[in-house]
Amino acid sequence: KQEVTQIPAALSVPEGENLVLNCSFTDSAIYNLQWFRQDPGKGLTSLLLIQSSQREQTSGRLNASLDKSSGRSTLYIAASQPGDSATYLCAVMDQGGKLIFGQGTELSVKP
Amino acid sequence: DAGVIQSPRHEVTEMGQEVTLRCKPISGHNSLFWYRQTMMRGLELLIYFNNNVPIDDSGMPEDRFSAKMPNASFSTLKIQPSEPRDSAVYFCASSLGTSGLNEQFFGPGTRLTVL
Repeated sequence: KQEVTQIPAALSVPEGENLVLNCSFTDSAIYNLQWFRQDPGKGLTSLLLIQSSQREQTSGRLNASLDKSSGRSTLYIAASQPGDSATYLCAVMDQGGKLIFGQGTELSVKP
Repeated sequence: DAGVIQSPRHEVTEMGQEVTLRCKPISGHNSLFWYRQTMMRGLELLIYFNNNVPIDDSGMPEDRFSAKMPNASFSTLKIQPSEPRDSAVYFCASSLGTSGLNEQFFGPGTRLTVL
């Protein structure tokens, strides 16, 4: 059974710092891996999607990497801003087309 | 596009009552997903549809839960009878398909409280 783990559960950094969020999964047979952002009381916003054949994806200050063989992904946020404060969720799509989510990392960027 | 639309946004009901949650997917999307989010269990997939047909309902917790998709633009998730442990945020999501190429787009969620 696929399990997704995110470390750390919470992170607080000063504005301007670069940071890395970690995601690991137990079964490497995935179609893709997605990173989402969730603001309090809101739905999920898709940030990046990495196909199983890809190694990384970039969007603005965000860069996500995927190492399928080791079951790991990282989300790198450059020059963090207070507006980046949110919960970041990692999800893998299994070969049945289902998304399996981690518990999330709650990020707080202090001005 | 308005995105995925869910209603109601908040629902408070008493134990034993029937609850119906509604979802309108993004126009043109042919896959629809229902998720539940709780503090204890995080985000869990309940059921998903492809071309209005239920594909996998293994996440539906028990017979009190049922979901329908009568057409491409509307789906319901019904709980009858509701129990306090059903209190959670229920999300609907849609995508162009279920392959690894397709992002899922989430609605704002329905926050359900069962007293």
